[in-house]
Amino acid sequence: NAGVMQNPRHLVRRRGQEARLRCSPMKGHSHVYWYRQLPEEGLKFMVYLQKENIIDESGMPKERFSAEFPKEGPSILRIQQVVRGDSAAYFCASSLPGLANEQFFGPGTRLTVL
Amino acid sequence: AQTVTQSQPEMSVQEAETVTLSCTYDTSENNYYLFWYKQPPSRQMILVIRQEAYKQQNATENRFSVNFQKAAKSFSLKISDSQLGDTAMYFCAFILTGGGNKLTFGTGTQLKVEL
Repeated sequence: NAGVMQNPRHLVRRRGQEARLRCSPMKGHSHVYWYRQLPEEGLKFMVYLQKENIIDESGMPKERFSAEFPKEGPSILRIQQVVRGDSAAYFCASSLPGLANEQFFGPGTRLTVL
Repeated sequence: AQTVTQSQPEMSVQEAETVTLSCTYDTSENNYYLFWYKQPPSRQMILVIRQEAYKQQNATENRFSVNFQKAAKSFSLKISDSQLGDTAMYFCAFILTGGGNKLTFGTGTQLKVEL
């Protein structure tokens, strides 16, 4: 049973470009979470999605960031017009439905904005 | 606001010794779950142990155990018989039962196990 897959593992963008980060949850998991880890900090919650539905986006910046989890295919975290402050590691996690079920994390995507 | 505080940025321990990592948290809610995650140099986040706040008995998972003091809002992690593979960043985190499954993390403790 493959774990949570994220790609790319490393992504370099210039300021003003778009970044698309992909996350394929574990088989059978219908819940996906995105977290951001800035250098020397803990992970910060961004968004919680189910298939075709955003459950909680309270941690998402109001502008330039969006997330989706379509009926088919991976979850996508999209960052438009990236700035240097977006440089971070972005982690995706997935879980079974239910309260506080274990969230299994992917290996992360390290975004570097030049 | 919900917060998690890990006051030890770095710790070291000799192989086979025991080490305790501290964690305190702040929430006005009564129902929640607490976790310790490990992040080795590979950066993969791995769940170490989990505790339900309504359970008084401290959780144990092989060499890992917790000391959960609900009144003090303290949730420390004890690692017994430390191994080199335990070298990692350790994060304390919690989920509120009414909080939509989002994990709130502390800033981490870097643990180094030495020969």
